[in-house]
Amino acid sequence: DIVMTQSPDSLAVSLGERATINCKSSQPVLYGSTNKNYLAWYQQKPGQPPNLLIYWASTRESGVPDRFSGSGSGTDFTLTISSLQAEDVAFYYCQQYYYTPLAFGQGTKVEIK
Amino acid sequence: EVQLVQSGVEVKKPGQSLTISCKGSGYSFSTHWIGWVRQMPGKGLEWMGSIYPGDYDTRYSPSSQGQVSISLDESISTVYLHWSSLRASDTAMYFCARCPTGTTSPYFFDYWGQGTLVTVSS
Repeated sequence: DIVMTQSPDSLAVSLGERATINCKSSQPVLYGSTNKNYLAWYQQKPGQPPNLLIYWASTRESGVPDRFSGSGSGTDFTLTISSLQAEDVAFYYCQQYYYTPLAFGQGTKVEIK
Repeated sequence: EVQLVQSGVEVKKPGQSLTISCKGSGYSFSTHWIGWVRQMPGKGLEWMGSIYPGDYDTRYSPSSQGQVSISLDESISTVYLHWSSLRASDTAMYFCARCPTGTTSPYFFDYWGQGTLVTVSS
């Protein structure tokens, strides 16, 4: 099974500053025949279900602000919030869908400094 | 508008059975995998399993296999998660979530239900 590990567990960033979350998979999630990384990112605010931000490691979901971006390939991935806004305070999760069992990272809490 | 509407809060005793539901609307129900994701209090997201309405293909996580069952009623566009004997450790929020169309296995989740809170306590 693929294990997803995020870092850090939490971070505090000033408003308008950059926030960077890392996600590492225990096996590559890059599928050779499609050249796609089977990696998604979600945002979850308290009391709400998760919300899809990014899929295929770097494709932004419709309606997601462009301050959110995803990068990386193989086993190492990054979610970047280019200019943190107050409404971005939340937990963020990566998820691999290369094969089942699907697996999420443990989550990263983003707060305002 | 795509919607996944889940059944309401449940409070049960250990050993009791339970079925919670997730009704899809606003899209072609039979062409999207639907999954269940558990979130224990103060914890992260755990995939439990997914089902494909088109052929009833069902996949479970190793930790959920044999502990729960996933089923569906295509006539009412509803997916179910069933426990035959609950434990206190099943206390959690349970989300259903839809995968995008055209996939042969579960992928990422583009729409989520509102969640069903299950509390198991004697």
